[in-house]
Amino acid sequence: GNSVTQMEGPVTLSEEAFLTINCTYTATGYPSLFWYVQYPGEGLQLLLKATKADDKGSNKGFEATYRKETTSFHLEKGSVQVSDSAVYFCALSGGSQGNLIFGKGTKLSVKP
Amino acid sequence: EPEVTQTPSHQVTQMGQEVILRCVPISNHLYFYWYRQILGQKVEFLVSFYNNEISEKSEIFDDQFSVERPDGSNFTLKIRSTKLEDSAMYFCASSGRLQTYEQYFGPGTRLTVT
Repeated sequence: GNSVTQMEGPVTLSEEAFLTINCTYTATGYPSLFWYVQYPGEGLQLLLKATKADDKGSNKGFEATYRKETTSFHLEKGSVQVSDSAVYFCALSGGSQGNLIFGKGTKLSVKP
Repeated sequence: EPEVTQTPSHQVTQMGQEVILRCVPISNHLYFYWYRQILGQKVEFLVSFYNNEISEKSEIFDDQFSVERPDGSNFTLKIRSTKLEDSAMYFCASSGRLQTYEQYFGPGTRLTVT
């Protein structure tokens, strides 16, 4: 069945460092891919998405490219800020009714 | 900006008791979902709901679980007889358009079963 694997956390970076959070997936067909972010005490928020191969999703300085050949959707940001500290979830579209399949989440802490 | 709300934020209950978790989806959305996350594990899909009926459910969503949209605004998840392993964070989500898969999540209810 469909599944998502993302790198274990926690990840601790200094402000302005480069961020990569790896995400790979297993799926039949052509799923859409997502990154969700959860700030402390809040719900999951859609950060970016890509709906087909080679699409690049981007938002708030974060980017991820849908790579079908490597079945990956790695999240990157060139210069992280303290306010980016959160848990990041990679997900793909699963069933016919739109349910999402999530990875375990990666906690990011950015130090000033 | 419209948002999904959930109540309560934290619920503590004894094993065997019934609990009802409540959600108010975004008002013009048509598709509703429940997910859960056991501490340290993945966010898992439980059930989707459309047009006043369950459209899809996972293996987790057994006879102990039920969902309801009792009025035009609330969407509830009931666990009939809670077990210790039901302790988790439960997230409600809603979507206006199925094809985009863009789901808007609530802040979650932390359920603790003792």
